[in-house]
Amino acid sequence: NAGVTQTPKFQVLKTGQSMTLQCAQDMNHEYMSWYRQDPGMGLRLIHYSVGAGITDQGEVPNGYNVSRSTTEDFPLRLLSAAPSQTSVYFCASKRGGAYVGELFFGEGSRLTVL
Amino acid sequence: QQQVKQSPQSLIVQKGGISIINCAYENTAFDYFPWYQQFPGKGPALLIAIRPDVSEKKEGRFTISFNKSAKQFSLHIMDSQPGDSATYFCAASRTSEKLVFGQGTRLTINP
Repeated sequence: NAGVTQTPKFQVLKTGQSMTLQCAQDMNHEYMSWYRQDPGMGLRLIHYSVGAGITDQGEVPNGYNVSRSTTEDFPLRLLSAAPSQTSVYFCASKRGGAYVGELFFGEGSRLTVL
Repeated sequence: QQQVKQSPQSLIVQKGGISIINCAYENTAFDYFPWYQQFPGKGPALLIAIRPDVSEKKEGRFTISFNKSAKQFSLHIMDSQPGDSATYFCAASRTSEKLVFGQGTRLTINP
């Protein structure tokens, strides 16, 4: 059982470049989300989705775009990378609906923007 | 605006000692308070969680203490072991959709 899979694990970009971080889960979870982790800031929610075709903004959505065309996949797009987007990005999923419980995280994607 | 404030930022405890990490929240509508554990190079994983209708929850060596009136909750790790060395995050949510995390505490257990 793979759980939540993120690719790539490491990426270096130049300012202004665009890229997509991939996230896939095989647990049939309706809810998926993206967080960024920065030293001293904890984990901050970027975007989330409660099901296919539905997305919403979190705390720090600027500069990022998401879509949810299938239950399994939730890609995060950086439209024009900036040094401030240097971070470790985590995708997480959980059961949907009114369920309040465990978030399952991927192992992270470390992004450096030069 | 940090909705969940966590302290200390780092903590060093001797093997066998008690590790205590504290969190304070502002939103009284929060109704779910989990703790996550993260090892280097890995994603966070749920350790233990509590609802505001109880003041304490214990799972093995890990205990959450919850003080609703003070809007505070804490994680106690009894008989701390080197394998407990990790980063710990408290979190809170008021709906099933948004989980807000604290800043994290890097815990080191010295052998």
